[in-house]
Amino acid sequence: DAGVIQSPRHEVTEMGQEVTLRCKPISGHNSLFWYRQTMMRGLELLIYFNNNVPIDDSGMPEDRFSAKMPNASFSTLKIQPSEPRDSAVYFCATLETGGTDEQYFGPGTRLTVT
Amino acid sequence: DQQVKQNSPSLSVQEGRISILNCDYTNSMFDYFLWYKKYPAEGPTFLISISSIKDKNEDGRFTVFLNKSAKHLSLHIVPSQPGDSAVYFCAASALSGAQKLVFGQGTRLTINP
Repeated sequence: DAGVIQSPRHEVTEMGQEVTLRCKPISGHNSLFWYRQTMMRGLELLIYFNNNVPIDDSGMPEDRFSAKMPNASFSTLKIQPSEPRDSAVYFCATLETGGTDEQYFGPGTRLTVT
Repeated sequence: DQQVKQNSPSLSVQEGRISILNCDYTNSMFDYFLWYKKYPAEGPTFLISISSIKDKNEDGRFTVFLNKSAKHLSLHIVPSQPGDSAVYFCAASALSGAQKLVFGQGTRLTINP
């Protein structure tokens, strides 16, 4: 398996633009997590899905952030409109429910909003 | 409010010596703890974990110690090797919500030859 795949790896955009980050989970993993990493706060959980259903979105910072998982093999995190303070590395992680508690992380998307 | 704290942003250790990374938590509902390791431009990878029914878990050069009364855990790496240079994240969860991990800010470990 190729592991968790995220795209793009780097995104530079101007304030006010819409940004869409994509994630393809490991096949058979039915839990998916979106995290944001910043220097000050480390890794923060934004939202997670079980079997494509959002379970906990309490970490989503504002209504500008939204996430979807239309099927078991794809998820998106959208920021509209983007702001400079959204600049961070965004990670997607997946987990096989009923297995170990080890979450497998993708390589991340480094987002820069100017 | 940081429920999981790693108060040392960085740590520098001589190759061959012991590295000790520390982590404190505030939520008494946490009963499962993990350490993740992260290299630049990569996602974090799982390193070792411990359940609250134990106070020590060992895996090769890596040992995690848990002090529940102090709400403190530590990761010991001995002997330290240059390849151990990375950012280490401590994470915690409550079994009732085992999927929801709360991470600390991370500690950057540098092993000097």
